Amino acid sequence: AQTVTQSQPEMSVQEAETVTLSCTYDTSESDYYLFWYKQPPSRQMILVIRQEAYKQQNATENRFSVNFQKAAKSFSLKISDSQLGDAAMYFCAYRSVSNNDMRFGAGTRLTVKP
Amino acid sequence: SQTIHQWPATLVQPVGSPLSLECTVEGTSNPNLYWYRQAAGRGLQLLFYSVGIGQISSEVPQNLSASRPQDRQFILSSKKLLLSDSGFYLCAWSVRGLTGELFFGEGSRLTVL
Repeated sequence: AQTVTQSQPEMSVQEAETVTLSCTYDTSESDYYLFWYKQPPSRQMILVIRQEAYKQQNATENRFSVNFQKAAKSFSLKISDSQLGDAAMYFCAYRSVSNNDMRFGAGTRLTVKP
Repeated sequence: SQTIHQWPATLVQPVGSPLSLECTVEGTSNPNLYWYRQAAGRGLQLLFYSVGIGQISSEVPQNLSASRPQDRQFILSSKKLLLSDSGFYLCAWSVRGLTGELFFGEGSRLTVL
């Protein structure tokens, strides 16, 4: 079974600065999808960004971008110009193309300091 | 647009009592449906997923069960709750097929006393 590892339980960043959250995963498949989800204090999970494994180009969504290293099985999230509203738990997730489930990492709690 | 609702939002139940959490999706047909559990300070654990009415796949052996009586309705149940069932339960849906992200409901916090 695929596993997703987030090695940083907590991270903090100064407002307006940049922070990178790490994620690694283990799989024997060549085609899959990767996601970053944000869970604010309201607890509802919100999709931040997605990446298809067959695409070499890193996904970008406004201030959020990823560094996808397929060979290293690494999928980090970079948040630029951090805002107070970015404070949340961030979960990395892996979805296989061969089954219906999505596997999540343990999460990284991001604190943004004013 | 598609929406997903789950209820109740908060539930406090005694050990040994039954449980029923309900989730409905609107604005789409034939979705894949999921139940996840999130223990305090931890990631999400997949409990059940369903690709159609009456089709349930269980990921973790436990005293919980799931049912899908209608296309857009997903129910999480238990006959007798355990203390270890406490947690935050999330329902989610995705487009039929294997390419899409999951869209989550607001979550249900269950406390078993």
